[in-house]
Amino acid sequence: QLQLQESGPGLVKPSETLSLTCTVSGGSISSSNYYWGWIRQPPGKGLEWIGNIYYNGNRYNNPSLKSRVTISVDTSKNEFSLKLSSVTAADTAVYFCASLYCSPSMCAGNRGWFDPWGQGTLVTVSS
Amino acid sequence: QSALTQPASVSGSPGQSITISCTGTSSDVGNSNLVSWYQQHPGKAPKLMIYEVSKRPSGVSNRFSGSKSGNTASLTISGLQAEDEADFYCCSYTGSSTYVFGTGTKVTVL
Repeated sequence: QLQLQESGPGLVKPSETLSLTCTVSGGSISSSNYYWGWIRQPPGKGLEWIGNIYYNGNRYNNPSLKSRVTISVDTSKNEFSLKLSSVTAADTAVYFCASLYCSPSMCAGNRGWFDPWGQGTLVTVSS
Repeated sequence: QSALTQPASVSGSPGQSITISCTGTSSDVGNSNLVSWYQQHPGKAPKLMIYEVSKRPSGVSNRFSGSKSGNTASLTISGLQAEDEADFYCCSYTGSSTYVFGTGTKVTVL
């Protein structure tokens, strides 16, 4: 059974880069049936998809976050990471990592559903 | 991409049925069978309840069902129970190979 766990600093200064890592256990990050994604939730608000990455490096990002997002995968450590640059208070949120299951016919296009999710980690942007 | 539109809150008495709507556009819900629904209890991670519009993962109660008509997807909870009280979010794959979530619905069991 896949399990995901986020880790990283809980406090980031404005204009700096937020960096989080998601460690995958119970399965291989190189599985052809999964993308690996990041989703965030500002306090008291709804969910926002940030982006997904495949084990081979194929990635899809939310256009609203433009070029601030970098998602990478480290197959040797079975983990993937998120970097969000030039953060502001608006980036304060609980950040979740999640696996996106895709059946073989769908994986080419980042097509699937999110299951399971990590427990989430709160990142506050403040000086 | 704009968030999918859900009612802010829906309530019902134990044993009743409720339906949560999720309205998008022809660029997402209307043109995708990859609509999923997630339940989130306070302080917890979201949990997959429905995928591919109407399919239930193993372990999810058959009291939860999903459907879609045009640009609107729906989640129905039948036989409402106290444990169903939570926030629910829909999610749709879009024509741009991205994902968009709904605004979220708070379900209250009276």
